[in-house]
Amino acid sequence: AIWMTQSPSLLSASTGDRVTISCRMSQGISSYLAWYQQKPGKAPELLIYAASTLQSGVPSRFSGSGSGTDFTLTISCLQSEDFATYYCQQYYSFPWTFGQGTKVEIK
Amino acid sequence: EVQLVESGGGLVQPGGSLRLSCAASGFTVSSNYMSWVRQAPGKGLEWVSVIYSGGSTYYADSVKGRFTISRDNSKNTLYLQMNSLRAEDTAVYYCAREGVVGWGGLDWGQGTLVTVSS
Repeated sequence: AIWMTQSPSLLSASTGDRVTISCRMSQGISSYLAWYQQKPGKAPELLIYAASTLQSGVPSRFSGSGSGTDFTLTISCLQSEDFATYYCQQYYSFPWTFGQGTKVEIK
Repeated sequence: EVQLVESGGGLVQPGGSLRLSCAASGFTVSSNYMSWVRQAPGKGLEWVSVIYSGGSTYYADSVKGRFTISRDNSKNTLYLQMNSLRAEDTAVYYCAREGVVGWGGLDWGQGTLVTVSS
């Protein structure tokens, strides 16, 4: 199985901040990585697929980068509606795996 | 509009069985890969199973031999048959479809809660 290390687990930030979340793989996965946002009591929502492609309807302040083993989700200018938990997911090989999650909270 | 509506969750005793359903609309379940993902209370996401358009299926080690994913194309519905349930299977179960055909990711339903307890 591919192990994923997502960091940080908790990120305190203010509206307008630029934030980055990291996801590191135990082996290369090319660009088979997705990012999700989950708000309390709700289902996750797809933000980015193929490591860097923005899902339709997702604001352009979200961006993804990386390939191989190191990936990053960046929110360029944090908005109030962005306070949530974010997960990365690899779909390069089975079992598919998710990162542990990063909770972005208000500072 | 694409919709995924899960049903079938509830309280079941350890060792019991349950079948989850996911009714799809706005697309056909056989044209995408379809997956189940679960989330234990207060925990992160755990992938459970996937069925590809060609019928191939894959499972997490934690459910292999106990859970079976299937679909009924005539009803446009995805299923998860869960047998020999354990307390650690307690979770919200989400049905999800391939986010972008050929590119991956997941689009999710609203989830259904399964509680395994005596």
